Amino acid sequence: DTGVSQDPRHKITKRGQNVTFRCDPISEHNRLYWYRQTLGQGPEFLTYFQNEAQLEKSRLLSDRFSAERPKGSFSTLEIQRTEQGDSAMYLCASSLGDSTLFYDTQYFGPGTRLTVL
Amino acid sequence: DAKTTQPNSMESNEEEPVHLPCNHSTISGTDYIHWYRQLPSQGPEYVIHGLTSNVNNRMASLAIAEDRKSSTLILHRATLRDAAVYYCILIPNDYKLSFGAGTTVTVRA
Repeated sequence: DTGVSQDPRHKITKRGQNVTFRCDPISEHNRLYWYRQTLGQGPEFLTYFQNEAQLEKSRLLSDRFSAERPKGSFSTLEIQRTEQGDSAMYLCASSLGDSTLFYDTQYFGPGTRLTVL
Repeated sequence: DAKTTQPNSMESNEEEPVHLPCNHSTISGTDYIHWYRQLPSQGPEYVIHGLTSNVNNRMASLAIAEDRKSSTLILHRATLRDAAVYYCILIPNDYKLSFGAGTTVTVRA
């Protein structure tokens, strides 16, 4: 049973550099979500995809952030010109996205911890 | 989004029950009550959810007040592996979870 996987698990970068994270959802899950979590806080929603379509973006997702999900499979989250405030855990989750279900459980990956120096 | 209020922390002894309260006085009729937990260095994991009736599963029980303004997550016999941050979340739809700070549960051996 392969759950949601994320790569890399840890990333250290210098301010101003670009970084890209990858998320592989559970097979056949139509929905994919990105969250960000800073130390001592709960995760905050960033964006989500239904198949390849990005349906909602949080105001937290500035112009420096971009997410894609080509072909409705894996997803990437890119941060351009990183800032120290971007340091956080970036979590990916996926769900079946079946509209016939009353509730659509989200399954989270282990996260990618980003440190911007 | 409807807000929830949880205690910052709770302690329990191993093999004793843990009752985690959550207040949600502004809950609407279509809001489901969800609980997730996050173990150290891991992503959150689903625990249980309910609408009006009490719910049980292999992980926990959820007791929902008759007026739905509060609920309690019950871990029947806490183990060291239950030490985590527990989040009570209300959502009208099945996406965009809005996490608060949660309750940090410490289990003493």
